[in-house]
Amino acid sequence: DGGITQSPKYLFRKEGQNVTLSCEQNLNHDAMYWYRQDPGQGLRLIYYSQIVNDFQKGDIAEGYSVSREKKESFPLTVTSAQKNPTAFYLCASSIRSGRAGDTQYFGPGTRLTVL
Amino acid sequence: AQSVTQLDSQVPVFEEAPVELRCNYSSSVSVYLFWYVQYPNQGLQLLLKYLSGSTLVKGINGFEAEFNKSQTSFHLRKPSVHISDTAEYFCAVSGGSGYSTLTFGKGTMLLVSP
Repeated sequence: DGGITQSPKYLFRKEGQNVTLSCEQNLNHDAMYWYRQDPGQGLRLIYYSQIVNDFQKGDIAEGYSVSREKKESFPLTVTSAQKNPTAFYLCASSIRSGRAGDTQYFGPGTRLTVL
Repeated sequence: AQSVTQLDSQVPVFEEAPVELRCNYSSSVSVYLFWYVQYPNQGLQLLLKYLSGSTLVKGINGFEAEFNKSQTSFHLRKPSVHISDTAEYFCAVSGGSGYSTLTFGKGTMLLVSP
């Protein structure tokens, strides 16, 4: 089945540690996205990538980093510089390089808790 | 810049009653509009989207939405809800041409009770 996989579903880390969230898609989509979701805040865009080896900052990129070495993979690293990293993280992809109107397809999410 | 306002954070409703979830947007350019649904601890699923043409858009699970350009609204409706419709609903907007990211509203929690 085609889709987006995020792992792990739940992740616990100690304060001050970097952590990497995985996102893989087998939809052959060009564009990929990372969102952060907090209760009552909707989804906020962290980073997006239109093509391999290229990515742009979203609205809340501070304290996060990404890479896009393969078309199907877009890992997100939450660094120790992120002041409040506990949240639900969602990865998405769309078929073309982020063209307006294209549907974004979402993974199941990773819930990160920093202790 | 574009923004989305979902006017209700929670909408309680009884099973088989009609429901309307409100969404207003602001944008300096033409827009595309989306409604997504999120069940607890899951990702988002597209319900419907408006790109152009008929202002009444039909989606999955019996939902529909109407684009009203003069009122800058895109309200979501269902004539008769089920318990299984209990979920959070997000309205989103993107620019109407070229490249544009999605801007989401803060969500409306639909609570359907028997």
